[in-house]
Amino acid sequence: DAGITQSPRHKVTETGTPVTLRCHQTENHRYMYWYRQDPGHGLRLIHYSYGVKDTDKGEVSDGYSVSRSKTEDFLLTLESATSSQTSVYFCAISEGDRSNTEAFFGQGTRLTVV
Amino acid sequence: GNSVTQMEGPVTLSEEAFLTINCTYTATGYPSLFWYVQYPGEGLQLLLKATKADDKGSNKGFEATYRKETTSFHLEKGSVQVSDSAVYFCARNQAGTALIFGKGTTLSVSS
Repeated sequence: DAGITQSPRHKVTETGTPVTLRCHQTENHRYMYWYRQDPGHGLRLIHYSYGVKDTDKGEVSDGYSVSRSKTEDFLLTLESATSSQTSVYFCAISEGDRSNTEAFFGQGTRLTVV
Repeated sequence: GNSVTQMEGPVTLSEEAFLTINCTYTATGYPSLFWYVQYPGEGLQLLLKATKADDKGSNKGFEATYRKETTSFHLEKGSVQVSDSAVYFCARNQAGTALIFGKGTTLSVSS
Protein backbone atom coordinates (compact mmCIF):
# COMPACT_ATOMS: atom_id res chain seq x y z
CA ASP A 1 0.00 0.00 0.00
CA ALA A 2 1.12 3.52 -0.77
CA GLY A 3 2.23 5.32 2.36
CA ILE A 4 -0.61 7.77 2.90
CA THR A 5 -2.00 8.53 6.31
CA GLN A 6 -5.00 10.72 6.95
CA SER A 7 -5.77 12.08 10.37
CA PRO A 8 -8.10 12.11 12.09
CA ARG A 9 -10.12 9.24 10.63
CA HIS A 10 -13.33 10.45 12.22
CA LYS A 11 -14.30 13.82 13.62
CA VAL A 12 -17.46 15.45 14.90
CA THR A 13 -17.35 19.22 15.22
CA GLU A 14 -19.74 22.07 15.80
CA THR A 15 -20.85 24.61 13.24
CA GLY A 16 -18.57 27.62 13.16
CA THR A 17 -15.49 25.92 14.54
CA PRO A 18 -12.24 25.60 12.60
CA VAL A 19 -11.14 22.13 11.54
CA THR A 20 -7.88 20.93 10.04
CA LEU A 21 -7.42 17.59 8.34
CA ARG A 22 -3.97 16.23 7.71
CA CYS A 23 -2.59 14.10 4.93
CA HIS A 24 0.88 12.66 5.34
CA GLN A 25 2.76 10.70 2.65
CA THR A 26 5.99 8.77 2.72
CA GLU A 27 6.27 8.34 -1.06
CA ASN A 28 7.84 11.70 -1.93
CA HIS A 29 5.19 12.21 -4.62
CA ARG A 30 4.94 15.69 -6.06
CA TYR A 31 1.15 15.97 -6.41
CA MET A 32 -1.29 15.84 -3.52
CA TYR A 33 -5.06 16.25 -3.68
CA TRP A 34 -8.03 16.71 -1.43
CA TYR A 35 -11.40 15.33 -2.55
CA ARG A 36 -14.75 15.12 -0.86
CA GLN A 37 -17.13 12.25 -1.45
CA ASP A 38 -20.88 12.73 -1.17
CA PRO A 39 -23.78 10.52 -2.27
CA GLY A 40 -24.84 11.36 -5.80
CA HIS A 41 -21.77 13.50 -6.44
CA GLY A 42 -18.91 11.04 -6.55
CA LEU A 43 -15.54 12.54 -5.73
CA ARG A 44 -15.12 16.26 -6.18
CA LEU A 45 -11.79 18.00 -6.11
CA ILE A 46 -11.38 20.64 -3.41
CA HIS A 47 -7.75 21.73 -3.80
CA TYR A 48 -4.56 20.21 -5.03
CA SER A 49 -0.85 20.86 -4.75
CA TYR A 50 1.88 20.40 -7.33
CA GLY A 51 4.77 21.18 -5.01
CA VAL A 52 5.74 22.79 -1.74
CA LYS A 53 3.81 26.03 -1.38
CA ASP A 54 2.22 25.48 -4.83
CA THR A 55 -1.52 24.91 -4.67
CA ASP A 56 -4.56 25.45 -6.84
CA LYS A 57 -8.30 25.38 -6.46
CA GLY A 58 -10.55 22.58 -7.54
CA GLU A 59 -14.23 22.35 -8.32
CA VAL A 60 -15.53 22.93 -4.77
CA SER A 61 -12.92 25.09 -3.04
CA ASP A 62 -15.21 27.64 -1.35
CA GLY A 63 -14.93 27.44 2.42
CA TYR A 64 -11.67 25.49 2.32
CA SER A 65 -8.02 26.44 2.41
CA VAL A 66 -4.89 24.32 2.12
CA SER A 67 -1.24 24.51 2.94
CA ARG A 68 1.79 22.51 1.95
CA SER A 69 4.91 23.61 3.77
CA LYS A 70 6.79 20.37 3.11
CA THR A 71 6.55 17.62 0.55
CA GLU A 72 5.06 15.04 2.85
CA ASP A 73 2.22 17.01 4.41
CA PHE A 74 -0.90 18.56 2.89
CA LEU A 75 -3.34 20.22 5.26
CA LEU A 76 -6.98 21.00 4.56
CA THR A 77 -8.61 23.64 6.75
CA LEU A 78 -12.25 24.50 7.16
CA GLU A 79 -12.03 27.98 8.65
CA SER A 80 -15.60 27.92 9.96
CA ALA A 81 -17.26 24.57 9.50
CA THR A 82 -20.81 24.38 8.15
CA SER A 83 -23.24 21.47 7.98
CA SER A 84 -22.82 21.35 4.19
CA GLN A 85 -19.21 20.33 4.79
CA THR A 86 -20.27 17.08 6.42
CA SER A 87 -18.64 14.57 4.12
CA VAL A 88 -15.96 11.97 3.69
CA TYR A 89 -12.65 13.57 2.74
CA PHE A 90 -10.00 11.71 0.78
CA CYS A 91 -6.42 12.65 0.24
CA ALA A 92 -4.63 11.34 -2.84
CA ILE A 93 -1.08 11.53 -4.16
CA SER A 94 0.46 11.04 -7.56
CA GLU A 95 3.98 10.93 -8.83
CA GLY A 96 4.11 13.78 -11.34
CA ASP A 97 2.36 15.71 -14.00
CA ARG A 98 2.44 12.94 -16.56
CA SER A 99 -1.18 12.17 -17.24
CA ASN A 100 -0.82 8.42 -17.02
CA THR A 101 0.37 8.25 -13.46
CA GLU A 102 -2.17 6.76 -11.14
CA ALA A 103 -3.31 8.40 -7.94
CA PHE A 104 -3.08 6.60 -4.62
CA PHE A 105 -5.71 7.28 -1.99
CA GLY A 106 -5.78 7.48 1.76
CA GLN A 107 -8.43 5.73 3.83
CA GLY A 108 -10.55 8.82 4.24
CA THR A 109 -11.71 11.09 7.05
CA ARG A 110 -15.36 11.11 7.98
CA LEU A 111 -16.27 14.61 9.14
CA THR A 112 -19.61 15.44 10.72
CA VAL A 113 -20.55 19.06 11.39
CA VAL A 114 -23.41 19.40 13.86
CA GLY B 1 -15.62 21.41 -20.38
CA ASN B 2 -13.73 18.44 -19.05
CA SER B 3 -15.93 15.87 -17.41
CA VAL B 4 -16.68 12.22 -16.92
CA THR B 5 -20.16 10.70 -17.14
CA GLN B 6 -20.90 7.18 -16.03
CA MET B 7 -24.10 5.22 -15.82
CA GLU B 8 -26.08 5.62 -12.67
CA GLY B 9 -26.62 2.68 -10.42
CA PRO B 10 -27.18 0.73 -8.51
CA VAL B 11 -26.42 -2.21 -10.74
CA THR B 12 -27.71 -5.47 -9.29
CA LEU B 13 -26.55 -8.76 -10.80
CA SER B 14 -26.48 -12.43 -10.00
CA GLU B 15 -23.17 -14.20 -9.65
CA GLU B 16 -21.62 -15.16 -13.01
CA ALA B 17 -23.61 -12.53 -14.92
CA PHE B 18 -21.98 -10.24 -17.47
CA LEU B 19 -21.20 -6.70 -16.34
CA THR B 20 -21.02 -3.48 -18.30
CA ILE B 21 -20.66 -0.05 -16.72
CA ASN B 22 -20.68 2.74 -19.26
CA CYS B 23 -18.35 5.72 -19.08
CA THR B 24 -17.91 8.63 -21.47
CA TYR B 25 -15.66 11.63 -21.16
CA THR B 26 -15.12 15.06 -22.58
CA ALA B 27 -11.67 16.56 -22.79
CA THR B 28 -9.47 18.73 -24.91
CA GLY B 29 -6.82 16.50 -26.34
CA TYR B 30 -6.24 12.92 -25.30
CA PRO B 31 -6.46 12.20 -21.61
CA SER B 32 -5.50 9.03 -19.81
CA LEU B 33 -8.47 7.06 -18.53
CA PHE B 34 -8.87 5.05 -15.37
CA TRP B 35 -11.28 2.83 -13.49
CA TYR B 36 -11.05 2.90 -9.71
CA VAL B 37 -12.86 0.63 -7.27
CA GLN B 38 -13.94 1.39 -3.71
CA TYR B 39 -14.81 -1.45 -1.37
CA PRO B 40 -16.98 -0.66 1.66
CA GLY B 41 -15.20 1.46 4.25
CA GLU B 42 -12.06 1.84 2.19
CA GLY B 43 -10.37 4.38 -0.04
CA LEU B 44 -10.18 4.11 -3.80
CA GLN B 45 -7.76 1.82 -5.55
CA LEU B 46 -6.83 1.66 -9.18
CA LEU B 47 -8.49 -1.18 -11.08
CA LEU B 48 -7.16 -0.52 -14.59
CA LYS B 49 -6.02 2.23 -16.91
CA ALA B 50 -5.43 3.12 -20.57
CA THR B 51 -3.23 5.92 -21.77
CA LYS B 52 -3.96 6.18 -25.49
CA ALA B 53 -6.61 5.39 -28.06
CA ASP B 54 -7.37 1.69 -28.62
CA ASP B 55 -5.45 0.68 -25.50
CA LYS B 56 -7.16 -1.99 -23.43
CA GLY B 57 -6.70 -1.97 -19.69
CA SER B 58 -7.35 -5.20 -17.81
CA ASN B 59 -7.12 -6.51 -14.27
CA LYS B 60 -8.88 -9.17 -12.16
CA GLY B 61 -11.07 -10.16 -15.12
CA PHE B 62 -12.20 -6.59 -15.76
CA GLU B 63 -11.48 -4.90 -19.09
CA ALA B 64 -11.99 -1.48 -20.64
CA THR B 65 -10.98 -0.17 -24.07
CA TYR B 66 -10.13 3.46 -24.79
CA ARG B 67 -12.41 4.44 -27.69
CA LYS B 68 -11.46 7.83 -29.04
CA GLU B 69 -14.16 7.86 -31.71
CA THR B 70 -16.93 7.47 -29.13
CA THR B 71 -15.01 9.11 -26.23
CA SER B 72 -15.82 6.09 -24.11
CA PHE B 73 -14.13 3.74 -21.66
CA HIS B 74 -16.75 1.16 -20.70
CA LEU B 75 -15.93 -1.35 -17.97
CA GLU B 76 -16.77 -5.02 -18.61
CA LYS B 77 -16.42 -8.32 -16.86
CA GLY B 78 -17.60 -11.61 -18.24
CA SER B 79 -18.58 -13.28 -14.97
CA VAL B 80 -19.00 -11.26 -11.79
CA GLN B 81 -18.52 -12.60 -8.29
CA VAL B 82 -20.03 -11.56 -4.98
CA SER B 83 -16.63 -10.16 -4.04
CA ASP B 84 -16.89 -7.66 -6.92
CA SER B 85 -19.61 -5.78 -5.04
CA ALA B 86 -18.25 -2.26 -4.69
CA VAL B 87 -18.49 1.25 -6.09
CA TYR B 88 -16.73 1.79 -9.42
CA PHE B 89 -15.46 5.17 -10.57
CA CYS B 90 -14.39 6.20 -14.04
CA ALA B 91 -11.78 8.96 -14.17
CA ARG B 92 -9.73 10.97 -16.63
CA ASN B 93 -6.45 12.79 -16.27
CA GLN B 94 -4.37 15.08 -18.42
CA ALA B 95 -0.93 16.50 -17.84
CA GLY B 96 -1.11 19.65 -15.79
CA THR B 97 -4.58 18.97 -14.43
CA ALA B 98 -6.01 16.93 -11.61
CA LEU B 99 -7.76 13.59 -11.81
CA ILE B 100 -11.49 14.10 -12.48
CA PHE B 101 -14.02 11.44 -11.48
CA GLY B 102 -17.46 10.37 -12.52
CA LYS B 103 -20.15 10.06 -9.86
CA GLY B 104 -19.59 6.35 -9.29
CA THR B 105 -21.67 3.27 -9.94
CA THR B 106 -22.62 0.90 -7.14
CA LEU B 107 -22.48 -2.77 -8.09
CA SER B 108 -24.22 -5.36 -5.97
CA VAL B 109 -23.73 -9.04 -6.81
CA SER B 110 -25.82 -11.73 -5.16
CA SER B 111 -25.15 -15.44 -5.00
